[in-house]
Amino acid sequence: DIQVTQSPSFLSASVGDRVTITCRASQGVSSFFAWYQQKPDIAPKLLISGASILQSGVPSRFSGSGSGTEFTLTITSLQPEDFATYYCQQLHTYPFTFGPGTKVDIK
Amino acid sequence: VQLVESGGGVVQPGGSLRLSCTASGFTFNSFGMHWVRQAPGKGLESVSFISYDGRNEKYVDSVKGRFTISRDNYKNTMYLQMNSLKPEDTALYYCAKDADAGAGWDNWGRGTLVTVSS
Repeated sequence: DIQVTQSPSFLSASVGDRVTITCRASQGVSSFFAWYQQKPDIAPKLLISGASILQSGVPSRFSGSGSGTEFTLTITSLQPEDFATYYCQQLHTYPFTFGPGTKVDIK
Repeated sequence: VQLVESGGGVVQPGGSLRLSCTASGFTFNSFGMHWVRQAPGKGLESVSFISYDGRNEKYVDSVKGRFTISRDNYKNTMYLQMNSLKPEDTALYYCAKDADAGAGWDNWGRGTLVTVSS
């Protein structure tokens, strides 16, 4: 299986901060990579597909970049509704493994 | 788009359950579908995939030989037959829809809880 690591596992930030989360895949996955946001007791929400394609309705402060083995999710100006757990996922080879998650909390 | 899971419950180790995912609001027979689980307080794990026409199935190694995925495109429903359940199968089971092949999962249900305990 392709392993996906994610850092940091926890991030404390303030409203307005720029936040960056990084994921690494154990082997190249091209651009078959996605990012999700999950809030407590709610199913994950797809934010970005194809490593950098923003889903319809997702605010433009979210962006994704990378290809191959290293990927980044950036939130340019953190808003109160962005405090959540973020997961990355490779979709190159089944099982489509997820990173362990990054919890973004209020400083 | 709506995905509604059902069939979860409490079962003893070695027991069986059949989960269902009923879809509406999109052309069900055009999209691959997934089961994914989340153990309490833990991360997400892909469990199984079925192609739009049901001809291609995939499983994570930990459930191979115990779980079987299927779909009925006339009923807009996907299933997960879970046999020989183990305590480590305890999780919230979500169904999710492919946005496009390899492009992430753009719609998820609310999940159905499976608890394997004696």
